[in-house]
Formats: sequence, C-alpha cells, structure tokens
Amino acid sequence: AQSVTQLDSQVPVFEEAPVELRCNYSSSVSVYLFWYVQYPNQGLQLLLKYLSGSTLVESINGFEAEFNKSQTSFHLRKPSVHISDTAEYFCAVSGNAGNMLTFGGGTRLMVKP
Amino acid sequence: GAGVSQTPSNKVTEKGKYVELRCDPISGHTALYWYRQSLGQGPEFLIYFQGTGAADDSGLPNDRFFAVRPEGSVSTLKIQRTERGDSAVYLCASSTSGQGTDTQYFGPGTRLTVL
Repeated sequence: AQSVTQLDSQVPVFEEAPVELRCNYSSSVSVYLFWYVQYPNQGLQLLLKYLSGSTLVESINGFEAEFNKSQTSFHLRKPSVHISDTAEYFCAVSGNAGNMLTFGGGTRLMVKP
Repeated sequence: GAGVSQTPSNKVTEKGKYVELRCDPISGHTALYWYRQSLGQGPEFLIYFQGTGAADDSGLPNDRFFAVRPEGSVSTLKIQRTERGDSAVYLCASSTSGQGTDTQYFGPGTRLTVL
C-alpha cells in the first residue's frame, strides 16, 4: 500500500519570496513521484515528475523538486513566487504494481502582493 | 490537440436517483482512470481501464458504483441510488499505455451534488 502526506494544507507567502511545499510518502515498493497543480477553476495539470536518474527535477515555470529516498520525501520548491502561482498543489505517487495515482491532501499556495 | 473532456460539468440530483457521468479520453490513450475528489481532499482512485476491460476496480466504494468502456475510448461512470455522501467532483484521466511512469492527463471534472 502507498500513502502520501502533505503536511501543510495552506501556505501563505508574499510575492517574490521563496516557498517550499512538503510531501512525504510511504511505500513498500519503488515509486514514481509527481506534483500536479490545480489553478482556480481549472483541471489538474502535471507540474513535474521523478521517474529515475537525477534526484532533482525541474518544471518549465521555475519549480523544482528533489527526491530523497532516505527521508521518503519529494518537496517542491520555488526561489521566487509570483501571484500567478496561486493554486492548489498535489503530490502523488504511482508504482509498478499499481498504475493508479495515490494523492496527498493538497497544499493551497496563496501568494500575496 | 483535444484534451480529456467530461460531461456534464455539473450534475444536481436527488437522493436515490441514478446518474451517469461521461469521459472522453485523449485519442489513442489506452488507459483511462476515474477518481473522486471530495471537498478539501486529494483525488481518490476509483477504477482503471486498460482498453475495454477494467484492470483494477479496487477503489469503487460499493456496488452502487459501476463503470464501462465498451469500445475502448469513451467511458461512463454509473451511480445507482445516489446518496448525499456521493457528492464530490468526479475526475477522469487518461494516459498512453497505463504504465506507472506515464503522465495522466486529467479532465475538468464533473461536480456531482446529491440533495
């Protein structure tokens, strides 16, 4: 069985400040890790994913996440956020044995001017 | 190209009624998933199709829920004798082959409200 914990349900931050959204997972098998973003009134979109290789993965809009196997974490970071980053962010895992995604509860990022 | 589409976008029904929710996946995607997202929570897996067959239906909460994908493209999620607890956003996703490494592409969801 797999599970995902997002420790922060809401993260308020001022524009241009750095941010970290935390994600921890548990699994008895190797996993693939994903971050999805849901902008207001839109569907879920893939932000970035870790499959193998380099533990640091990046998105096209400046987010990055680092896979840490020993700490079973996949935290999402951005050095300087914009108002347009305001959204709900979901961490998810999948595994070879099961193709479905197991999601965390989500973190609402609120960027204030 | 066209993404995953879901109809209707909103459905309001009365307790005890039957509802059908439709999903049109991305053309050529063999894998199709249904998830349910309750307010303030992350999506929860319901069922996964590979082609026409349900490869994993372990997430369906009870026998009131059923889904089909008769021709390997469009899928319908069917809920009988709806209950207020069924109120949620129902999400559909598709991927190219159903591998764990695949990106799942999500539709906008159907918001179901059971009065």
